[in-house]
Amino acid sequence: EVQLLESGGGLVQPGGSLRLSCAASGFTFSSYAMAWVRQAPGKGLEWVSITYGADGTTYYAGSVEGRFTISRDNSKNTLYLQMNSLRAEDTAVYYCAKLAYDTTTYFDFWGQGTLVTVSS
Amino acid sequence: QVVLTQSPSASASLGASVKLTCTLSGGHSSYSIAWHQQQPEKGPRFLMILNSDGSHNKGDGIPDRFSGSSSGAERYLTISSLQSEDEADYYCQTWGTGIQVFGAGTKVTVL
Repeated sequence: EVQLLESGGGLVQPGGSLRLSCAASGFTFSSYAMAWVRQAPGKGLEWVSITYGADGTTYYAGSVEGRFTISRDNSKNTLYLQMNSLRAEDTAVYYCAKLAYDTTTYFDFWGQGTLVTVSS
Repeated sequence: QVVLTQSPSASASLGASVKLTCTLSGGHSSYSIAWHQQQPEKGPRFLMILNSDGSHNKGDGIPDRFSGSSSGAERYLTISSLQSEDEADYYCQTWGTGIQVFGAGTKVTVL
């Protein structure tokens, strides 16, 4: 059974940093692309970043490029999101998601999310 | 860049059917999409991948009353025999090299 468990969310001041983690199990982690998707309060889903499993290729949404860094440790089956220079508009539930293949495609499994609140 | 358009809301009675639409922007009518369900206070759940020819593959454990179809640039999700637990937000999703696109979502209310 595929499981994705996010952690690391919390309250942070504007301009601050936070690192999210996603522990994956139930599949061969290194063989699949993984992503972060966020959802601001009362809003829809917004893709944040993707990383491929085999070669570590990364892509970012324009709203986070240069501030967020996605990474993965295939030996620990864990996905990360380092978030720097946080802004109020980054406040959201952040979901870890597995893609169906090791490329840009559809999401086939989701985690339950971790809440990030950026506020002074 | 591709844009996905969804109606904000839909409703139907318990036991009835509802058909949701996701429309691909011009020039992208051949794209496949995915449908995802998000029940209140929960993470999203993958429902199915839907191709331009109407073929679709559902996720693990998705009931038969969820089905997909296509016509031109429109992609449909039909929920038959509506249950109370089907009250949720439904998002369509598509992708290109290095990007992901979501529709704004349709809120389904079961009357």
